Amino acid sequence: QQQVKQSPQSLIVQKGGISIINCAYENTAFDYFPWYQQFPGKGPALLIAIRPDVSEKKEGRFTISFNKSAKQFSLHIMDSQPGDSATYFCAASRGGTASKLTFGTGTRLQVTL
Amino acid sequence: NAGVMQNPRHLVRRRGQEARLRCSPMKGHSHVYWYRQLPEEGLKFMVYLQKENIIDESGMPKERFSAEFPKEGPSILRIQQVVRGDSAAYFCASSREGATNYGYTFGSGTRLTVV
Repeated sequence: QQQVKQSPQSLIVQKGGISIINCAYENTAFDYFPWYQQFPGKGPALLIAIRPDVSEKKEGRFTISFNKSAKQFSLHIMDSQPGDSATYFCAASRGGTASKLTFGTGTRLQVTL
Repeated sequence: NAGVMQNPRHLVRRRGQEARLRCSPMKGHSHVYWYRQLPEEGLKFMVYLQKENIIDESGMPKERFSAEFPKEGPSILRIQQVVRGDSAAYFCASSREGATNYGYTFGSGTRLTVV
């Protein structure tokens, strides 16, 4: 019940396209859902996060869509750029804070020219 | 304001040796978290510490692994008698007390290789 399932495992998008990564969770106690971006050899960096009281959050080219009834959330990267090529992880935690995050298995995004 | 500092960046140990991984949290952060990342996998929670206290160690293997965050100095993750399966990237993160809206900040990790 602690799992967070992430798909796809890898994604290739052309420059300017939309990248979409999906996650699903089982534990209804989760109430904080961040996305992290990780470049090779680096630690994950927080990209954007959402709580269940809103269905969408947008920051620049990055948007989280959240569907509480379906227990799913997704990351949309608009106008994808080669510099966005990285591994993206969704995560979830409960208690309204970032303590003890449960991570998805990651999506390796490649944005081609 | 330096970020979360982890050292060493790379660590090679022979089977049976001890590995000590260090993490200095960001200034003003009193909460430290350790995660392990196996190749091609997501991060797995290991332990959550505050100064001089272990808050949650539910993800830590019961044997050979220990963690501390003393009143002075960095947090230490210690792995005794390492085995090949311990080869992974170990990430430390820190947060302020009661962090909510900004999650926590990860360091660049220590890549442990057991030969």
